Amino acid sequence: GNSVTQMEGPVTLSEEAFLTINCTYTATGYPSLFWYVQYPGEGLQLLLKATKADDKGSNKGFEATYRKETTSFHLEKGSVQVSDSAVYFCALRLSAGGTSYGKLTFGQGTILTVHP
Amino acid sequence: DTAVSQTPKYLVTQMGNDKSIKCEQNLGHDTMYWYKQDSKKFLKIMFSYNNKELIINETVPNRFSPKSPDKAHLNLHINSLELGDSAVYFCASTGWGEQFFGPGTRLTVL
Repeated sequence: GNSVTQMEGPVTLSEEAFLTINCTYTATGYPSLFWYVQYPGEGLQLLLKATKADDKGSNKGFEATYRKETTSFHLEKGSVQVSDSAVYFCALRLSAGGTSYGKLTFGQGTILTVHP
Repeated sequence: DTAVSQTPKYLVTQMGNDKSIKCEQNLGHDTMYWYKQDSKKFLKIMFSYNNKELIINETVPNRFSPKSPDKAHLNLHINSLELGDSAVYFCASTGWGEQFFGPGTRLTVL
């Protein structure tokens, strides 16, 4: 079946540190890949996405590259801020055809805390 | 304007009660979902509706009954609440692109 595995958390960093959150996936077919962010007390927001191999998604200084050969979509940011403290979810979605109806399969989430 | 809204935001109730959570989206999307997030932040899909028809039911107990009166609304009714139902429930909707999530309803069963 389809699954997403994220690195274990929580992750605690100092402001301006480099961030990597690993994400690998297992899927039949050619999924689209997403990173969602959940700030404290809020719902999930799309952070970035990539729909095919070698695509790079980027937003708010975060980047992730769709690597088909390693089935990975690792999230990176060069210099984190306190305001980046949140829970980060990697997710996949199968193609629009078939019976998936856009269903997202999520990783287990990684809690990030950034200290000043 | 809020794209996906849920009410109530907090719900505290006793075991055995029946409760409902409402969801509305004003994005014109055809597909809506309910997700459950447990205390460890793990998110799992429960149901999906497309144009008012149930299309995904992820082996959720039949105490949970979604209802979609029209494609802009997807409500979740829960009968005979149990302690293990305590969680945050998120509604979401999608058209052809990303999923948009509501702010969540924190359900606490005492």
